[in-house]
Amino acid sequence: SQQGEEDPQALSIQEGENATMNCSYKTSINNLQWYRQNSGRGLVHLILIRSNEREKHSGRLRVTLDTSKKSSSLLITASRAADTASYFCATDIRAGAGSYQLTFGKGTKLSVIP
Amino acid sequence: KAGVTQTPRYLIKTRGQQVTLSCSPISGHRSVSWYQQTPGQGLQFLFEYFSETQRNKGNFPGRFSGRQFSNSRSEMNVSTLELGDSALYLCASSQSGRGTEAFFGQGTRLTVV
Repeated sequence: SQQGEEDPQALSIQEGENATMNCSYKTSINNLQWYRQNSGRGLVHLILIRSNEREKHSGRLRVTLDTSKKSSSLLITASRAADTASYFCATDIRAGAGSYQLTFGKGTKLSVIP
Repeated sequence: KAGVTQTPRYLIKTRGQQVTLSCSPISGHRSVSWYQQTPGQGLQFLFEYFSETQRNKGNFPGRFSGRQFSNSRSEMNVSTLELGDSALYLCASSQSGRGTEAFFGQGTRLTVV
């Protein structure tokens, strides 16, 4: 079952604009991560935010986490055509003794138009 | 540092056959996880191995199995293939599998005909 749900499912913007994607989850988490996937390829890790953090930056990326609302957002500023990809949030939840499971949402498909 | 390597990249199999996929993690990483990605179900967790032991298993039938070797390389096997097993199979490695980022391979695209 999906732990995270991204919103919107698809987003189309002009190059130079900002893109915001949201993620909601259901259970308590250890951390939340965002990944990017170019068409049919492997996932690339973007950023990890721990449950006791509220905001994190990495280059043009800004991630916020609100554990009271069980939600996170990913902001990409000054988007480029190369940012066109699917973006997934993943929650790291305890799955059993000594084990954690990374559970992904269905992703937001971002299209940046040159 | 070499990334995660998955082989083969593409496979076409017939219903009823079995298939073995291979994953070589990043050197020093002891945790290897497998995921199935389909357009309908998205990314679904299959299982995680750490130091040759399966630590966690997703909700998949027993036809899906895996193992990890002493050098942390992992294989997954799917027996009695069904059309619905057509998917992109992704392998991810991490240092411990706990609260750390995962590094993904490029995946194996399996098509069952």
